[in-house]
Amino acid sequence: NAGVMQNPRHLVRRRGQEARLRCSPMKGHSHVYWYRQLPEEGLKFMVYLQKENIIDESGMPKERFSAEFPKEGPSILRIQQVVRGDSAAYFCASSSQVGNEKLFFGSGTQLSVL
Amino acid sequence: DQQVKQNSPSLSVQEGRISILNCDYTNSMFDYFLWYKKYPAEGPTFLISISSIKDKNEDGRFTVFLNKSAKHLSLHIVPSQPGDSAVYFCAASARTGNQFYFGTGTSLTVIP
Repeated sequence: NAGVMQNPRHLVRRRGQEARLRCSPMKGHSHVYWYRQLPEEGLKFMVYLQKENIIDESGMPKERFSAEFPKEGPSILRIQQVVRGDSAAYFCASSSQVGNEKLFFGSGTQLSVL
Repeated sequence: DQQVKQNSPSLSVQEGRISILNCDYTNSMFDYFLWYKKYPAEGPTFLISISSIKDKNEDGRFTVFLNKSAKHLSLHIVPSQPGDSAVYFCAASARTGNQFYFGTGTSLTVIP
């Protein structure tokens, strides 16, 4: 029973490039969350998705960031025209239901913007 | 607007002694609380949780206490072991909400 799979583990981009982060939730989980951890900070909520729907994107910057969770395939967090401030660890988590159900996290993608 | 706060960035404890990690929250709608443990370069792993209908939950060496009136919870680890050295995150959610709110973490070092 594979856990939450994220790839790549490390991603290096130059300013202005696009970053695509992938997340396959745990088997049987249809709820996906993306969190970002900046250096010396906690985990900040970005977006919550169910299959084909964005439920809550209140934590996601309005520009350059987008997320999807298609019917088939992994969830994608896309960052366009990356800037140095986007450098962070991005964690995906999944759960089997919403509300008072613990999250299972992936190992994260460390994004470095040069 | 930090709704979940962990005011101690770090804590050092001798092996075999008790570790107490603290967490405060501001939102009275929170009714489910969790503790996660995180090693460097890994994702957080679930440790223990507690519902607001309880004031204590125990799992082996780990006990979480919830004081709803003070909006405070704590994680007790006893006895502490060197392998417990990690960053511990407190998290909270509301049944009616969509997200978990995390604290900034406390780095625990257990000294052999």
